[in-house]
Amino acid sequence: DAKTTQPTSMDCAEGRAANLPCNHSTISGNEYVYWYRQIHSQGPQYIIHGLKNNETNEMASLIITEDRKSSTLILPHATLRDTAVYYCIVRSWNYGGATNKLIFGTGTLLAVQP
Amino acid sequence: GAGVSQTPSNKVTEKGKYVELRCDPISGHTALYWYRQSLGQGPEFLIYFQGTGAADDSGLPNDRFFAVRPEGSVSTLKIQRTERGDSAVYLCASSLVAGFEETQYFGPGTRLLVL
Repeated sequence: DAKTTQPTSMDCAEGRAANLPCNHSTISGNEYVYWYRQIHSQGPQYIIHGLKNNETNEMASLIITEDRKSSTLILPHATLRDTAVYYCIVRSWNYGGATNKLIFGTGTLLAVQP
Repeated sequence: GAGVSQTPSNKVTEKGKYVELRCDPISGHTALYWYRQSLGQGPEFLIYFQGTGAADDSGLPNDRFFAVRPEGSVSTLKIQRTERGDSAVYLCASSLVAGFEETQYFGPGTRLLVL
């Protein structure tokens, strides 16, 4: 799986959009970008994933650059409850099912300020 | 509905002792994963099951670690002769199937402290 690079920490004002960047310059054609987050003392929580098109769900939007070497997770209206460590993960898939594990980095600690 | 549950939530043991950590996956989920998270680090994969069989155990650090899932539902992670370096949060996750675009749902973890 391709390696990802994320800033160690970021701040965001409550009610504003939080934009979390991720670099994955060695991503290959069959690799997806996944985002999970981990609130303090809880297990990781799935947020969103995508291959090459931008994706949106009820939690967030995922913007992937055209060359797929980087992506941005957008929380449109951050709240205090969004304070967490956000992990960007690149996963390959194949029908053999041998790459089902998630490989986490150290993530970005997002602190939403009141 | 009920999520992934793990017991105990906290476990304190002494060096050299044997411990068992239990995971109850979401009902109907066929795939189950174990991860370990040390302080300040992201979770690290240990092993995953598809049904009753271990499909990938490449993350188990050594032969003191073993996991079972005899009926394809509940799983137990077993650690023999615990060492202080085994202290971590042990996370369990499950997914409906193991494969393309499946989402892994995590439990709250068991915090293991080896004195």
